[in-house]
Amino acid sequence: QSVLTQPPSVSGAPGQRVTISCTGSSSNIGAGYDVHWYQQLPGTAPKLLMYGNRNRPSGVPDRFSGSKSGTSASLAITGLQAEDEADYYCQSYDSSLSGYVFGIGTKVTVL
Amino acid sequence: EVQLVESGGGLVQPGGSLRLSCAASGFTFTYSWMAWVRQAPGKGLEWVANIKQDGSEKYYVDSVKGRFTISRDNAKNSLYLQMNSLRVEDTAFYYCARERGSEYFLQNWGQGTLVTVSS
Repeated sequence: QSVLTQPPSVSGAPGQRVTISCTGSSSNIGAGYDVHWYQQLPGTAPKLLMYGNRNRPSGVPDRFSGSKSGTSASLAITGLQAEDEADYYCQSYDSSLSGYVFGIGTKVTVL
Repeated sequence: EVQLVESGGGLVQPGGSLRLSCAASGFTFTYSWMAWVRQAPGKGLEWVANIKQDGSEKYYVDSVKGRFTISRDNAKNSLYLQMNSLRVEDTAFYYCARERGSEYFLQNWGQGTLVTVSS
């Protein structure tokens, strides 16, 4: 059971927009800690996709965007492409656990 | 180019021990907090432990406290995870990761090493 709550799966047709939610609590996201997102392509290690709620590392397409409000955050993918099929994890810091916490991961399927 | 290369995984019996290593290159290792994150086959990510630049602070997830020890050798640009009293539920891919300081995220990841605990 993960500290951060994500939907297990989302899907969309090529070109569509999908969003992934990430809900935390007052000891992590609600305490003001930023939310970060990782993309894990099949059979590979996770890769940083978004940091500080809405910042994209160099090389990440601007089709990916992030936001945060209160105890929740979301990742949006616009203009969905086949190469976006992957697992996506949100992550924050939890002050009561003194450590990093992740969501369960959301599998994005391109129909 | 940042590189993190894990080694030391393998098959071990319950109650056994294993030591994982992570060789770092392409950045100033002594400036970075470092972490271990694991992923059971087909499951999600779980932060395991992290360590400050000089090794003076270490933090662990509750499930490994007292059994796992994170350490580093800055002269060798290497990170370690000593795992004792291993349990079946410790079976996972273990990833070495470089943290972004006070911003609490993992900016670089290794390719992972598989630890299998089974009799």
